[in-house]
Formats: sequence, C-alpha cells, structure tokens
Amino acid sequence: DTEVTQTPKHLVMGMTNKKSLKCEQHMGHRAMYWYKQKAKKPPELMFVYSYEKLSINESVPSRFSPECPNSSLLNLHLHALQPEDSALYLCASSGMGIRRGDQPQHFGDGTRLSIL
Amino acid sequence: AQTVTQSQPEMSVQEAETVTLSCTYDTSESNYYLFWYKQPPSRQMILVIRQEAYKQQNATENRFSVNFQKAAKSFSLKISDSQLGDTAMYFCAFMKSYSGAGSYQLTFGKGTKLSVIP
Repeated sequence: DTEVTQTPKHLVMGMTNKKSLKCEQHMGHRAMYWYKQKAKKPPELMFVYSYEKLSINESVPSRFSPECPNSSLLNLHLHALQPEDSALYLCASSGMGIRRGDQPQHFGDGTRLSIL
Repeated sequence: AQTVTQSQPEMSVQEAETVTLSCTYDTSESNYYLFWYKQPPSRQMILVIRQEAYKQQNATENRFSVNFQKAAKSFSLKISDSQLGDTAMYFCAFMKSYSGAGSYQLTFGKGTKLSVIP
C-alpha cells in the first residue's frame, strides 16, 4: 500500500468541466509536489509546496490551480483543460530535514487524466 | 543546471540473470544525491536505491547495487538475480544538497524500460 494516496485513480473530463485531484499523506512530510507525466517520459515538476506555502511554480498554465489546505492535503484544481493536458498526474511528499538525501520523495499511484 | 542521461531506452534480461542500467549526469555541484526510481505498470514511482556523493562506498539494497564513479559522473544500477517483478521503467534522478525555496527538486533522466523474460 502506498503512503501517499491520490484520488481519483482515473478521471475523464470535458474541456469545459471543473474537477479536482486530491492527494493525502500522513507521514508528517512538510514538502508536497505535483508532477505531470506523459507516456514513456519522466515526470515533469509542476508545483512544490513547502510548509503549506507555494514555493515553486514551474510556469504552469493558470488552468491548473494548486491548493494546500493543511500539511497532509494537496489539491490540484482543473478548469478549461486542453487535450494535451491528458497525462498521469503524480503527487509526492518528502521530509525537509538537514540531510536532504535522507528525505527522498514518496510518490502516490497517480491520477490518469483524459481530456475529451 | 543539472542534466541526467540514460542512454539505454530499453533493455531485457533473462530471469535470474544480472543486468546493469547506465546513468551519467552533469553538474557543477560538489555535494548532491543520486537516486534510482522504479515505475512498474502499476504507475507508482518506487525508490530503489540512493547514493550520497560524498560517500565513496557504493550503496546496496538487497539485489540492487550501484557503481558510483564521481569523477566520471556515472551512476549505474546493477540488478542481480532478476525477477519478473523487476519489469518496469527505471529512472535515474539527481538532487542538489542545497536548493532555494526549501524544496528538494529532482532532475530525472528519460528512463530505461527493463523487461525480465521468463
């Protein structure tokens, strides 16, 4: 069982819909991440939250809106997506101790998103 | 900026045999961390093994070991006694020791698809 839980596992939506992806962890991690992964490609970083504050936004279009309501939850709100946004969206979390190598990222199973 | 290169897009190995996946990287940092992640068809990225650059001893985790050559900027993964469950995409990743904004950003290679053949 994964320690980072993502819901839903699959999502199909139209370009005019509004939906949200959810991610939850209970490992006490204070850094949380959203990645986008296309087939046969490595994950691409989208957003990073550190201590519930957005610390990195990798020039992601505004149709993706992240939210971190508390230290255990991370949401990704979706609106007016394009077909090219179809991908696997991965959430990850990590600790933020001094020894960074001892704080590897733990990933969820991902949400498979399809835009019609 | 850091780059990570995995030159083998696909590999295959017979069950119970040994296989080595290659990874090279480029950085001007003196201290950093290197990781191998595995992503089976089930999609979850799973940490296989990690190496701290200032440690000369190569990391091992059961059947998985690395050959870390800091001067050559090489970080290969050896899988011994390959099992069917090892079939997956394998990503090599780099992380700086110090990063702004308090984050732990990973730079991934493009991945190597490993197939274990019965």
